[in-house]
Amino acid sequence: QQPVQSPQAVILREGEDAVINCSSSKALYSVHWYRQKHGEAPVFLMILLKGGEQKGHEKISASFNEKKQQSSLYLTASQLSYSGTYFCGTDPKAAGNKLTFGGGTRVLVKP
Amino acid sequence: DAGITQSPRYKITETGRQVTLMCHQTWSHSYMFWYRQDLGHGLRLIYYSAAADITDKGEVPDGYVVSRSKTENFPLTLESATRSQTSVYFCASSESNPDTQYFGPGTRLTVL
Repeated sequence: QQPVQSPQAVILREGEDAVINCSSSKALYSVHWYRQKHGEAPVFLMILLKGGEQKGHEKISASFNEKKQQSSLYLTASQLSYSGTYFCGTDPKAAGNKLTFGGGTRVLVKP
Repeated sequence: DAGITQSPRYKITETGRQVTLMCHQTWSHSYMFWYRQDLGHGLRLIYYSAAADITDKGEVPDGYVVSRSKTENFPLTLESATRSQTSVYFCASSESNPDTQYFGPGTRLTVL
């Protein structure tokens, strides 16, 4: 079952912060975050593992609450380059990278 | 150049025709994937391969066939294309599990 992302879209001014949430109805082994710019392929941001640490990319970090089956992506001091659509991918099993992606969150950072 | 490539980048075909989308990676990654992305939506896994000659269905496999005789290639065939298969198709690869998935540039397929 597809994880649910919220919000569906967010508009920020440069330097502002935002949080994107990803919730699953299943217990999760790992959560993967990707960013996709318009007309381009998705690009990896980070992986969070069950029982593992929070891993960051630039000023983007994330957390993984195993009990709540949720992950959150934190965009801190946003830059224009952060614009794009963010997808979470979830894997309930420790096997094979078979991800189920959420519907995406569109982020627009304005000057 | 090293990386993951897809061909063709754009394809227009007619209902009922067979179409093969190619995916090639130069990293010798064990895992390869095919996703489809419909306009304004997320990625859905079609097929997945953990190694040469090992493939498994994903979320939406109906109407698609894959093979993987060599580690570096993972072609996707639409046996009899339908309009509902109009989409952008992405191939991806990863070295291990769980690990970064590197996506190819995509193939935009239109079925008339």
